[in-house]
Amino acid sequence: GENVEQHPSTLSVQEGDSAVIKCTYSDSASNYFPWYKQELGKRPQLIIDIRSNVGEKKDQRIAVTLNKTAKHFSLHITETQPEDSAVYFCAASSVGGADGLTFGKGTHLIIQP
Amino acid sequence: GAGVSQTPSNKVTEKGKYVELRCDPISGHTALYWYRQSLGQGPEFLIYFQGTGAADDSGLPNDRFFAVRPEGSVSTLKIQRTERGDSAVYLCASSLTGGINEQFFGPGTRLTVL
Repeated sequence: GENVEQHPSTLSVQEGDSAVIKCTYSDSASNYFPWYKQELGKRPQLIIDIRSNVGEKKDQRIAVTLNKTAKHFSLHITETQPEDSAVYFCAASSVGGADGLTFGKGTHLIIQP
Repeated sequence: GAGVSQTPSNKVTEKGKYVELRCDPISGHTALYWYRQSLGQGPEFLIYFQGTGAADDSGLPNDRFFAVRPEGSVSTLKIQRTERGDSAVYLCASSLTGGINEQFFGPGTRLTVL
């Protein structure tokens, strides 16, 4: 089955700086890669996703890049703000297969004022 | 509109007891997923329903776990003979049709097995 590795486990950045979180996956059949943000005690919420037919997607301060050859994808957050502090999870899915998402272990992003 | 809801929000039970956890998906969503999230970990896939049928139950850890969705809407996750290791937050998600559509998560049920 699919295995998703996520790094780093904790990331502390100064407010206004950029943050990058990286994930690798094992199943070459995976073709859908969402990123979820989870605040303490809250439900995971989708912030951005990418399909395997594109290499990059951007939504305001958030961008995701995908390298299918290397089987890794990354989340980029620019101009970080205090409300960006949360745990971020990457995930992968093989559409047409199980459809269930395989998640990474999460990155605790801390924005220092 | 209303999002995914789950009841109860918290459940404390004793080892060996039976529990049922309920999920109400977003109206009209045909796909429903159950995940389990332990402290400091990402959600772990348990089972996926498309309509009334379990399309993939490969994530259920053993035969103590069972889930149903008899009318293609509300789903119940059932755990028999609970063990302390079952303690976790159980998350439900729904999606319009499954596949590459966004999965919307519920708030979860925190299960504690004493």
